[in-house]
Amino acid sequence: GDSVTQMEGPVTLSEEAFLTINCTYTATGYPSLFWYVQYPGEGLQLLLKATKADDKGSNKGFEATYRKETTSFHLEKGSVQVSDSAVYFCALTRNTGGFKTIFGAGTRLFVKA
Amino acid sequence: NAGVTQTPKFQVLKTGQSMTLQCAQDMNHNSMYWYRQDPGMGLRLIYYSASEGTTDKGEVPNGYNVSRLNKREFSLRLESAAPSQTSVYFCASSEVRRQPQHFGDGTRLSIL
Repeated sequence: GDSVTQMEGPVTLSEEAFLTINCTYTATGYPSLFWYVQYPGEGLQLLLKATKADDKGSNKGFEATYRKETTSFHLEKGSVQVSDSAVYFCALTRNTGGFKTIFGAGTRLFVKA
Repeated sequence: NAGVTQTPKFQVLKTGQSMTLQCAQDMNHNSMYWYRQDPGMGLRLIYYSASEGTTDKGEVPNGYNVSRLNKREFSLRLESAAPSQTSVYFCASSEVRRQPQHFGDGTRLSIL
């Protein structure tokens, strides 16, 4: 069945470090891929998305590229800030054979000043 | 601009009690969703509504019912609560179909 696998956290970085959070997926057809961010005590917010292979989603300095050959959608940021501390979720939606949305388990990021 | 508003924020129920979780959005979105979030499992879709008057089951619909009362409101009802339904529940909405975009702050529900 469809699935999303994220690297386990927590990930702890110093301010201005480079961030990579790995995400791989298994799905039939051609899913759309998403990254969401959840700040403490809040709901999720859509961070970025990509709807077809080789698309790059970007927002607030974060970016991720839809790699069909490696079934991956890794999240990257060149220089993290303390305010980026949150839980990040990778997700896919599949629109063939009925609507389905699958979220990864989430990766907690701590950024130290 | 409130976005997606969920009530209540916290609730404790006894097994067998019933409860309705309320959700309203003020962004004029057609699509609305109910998810549950459990530790280490990400979010799982309970029900989805593409427009007023339509609802579809998600991954984990058993034990739940929904009502899309109008374009703004999408409620989730537990008819007979069970301890396995202890979770954090999130409502979401979106402009684009099948791409949840804005989430509420969640309802933390405990069933004893």
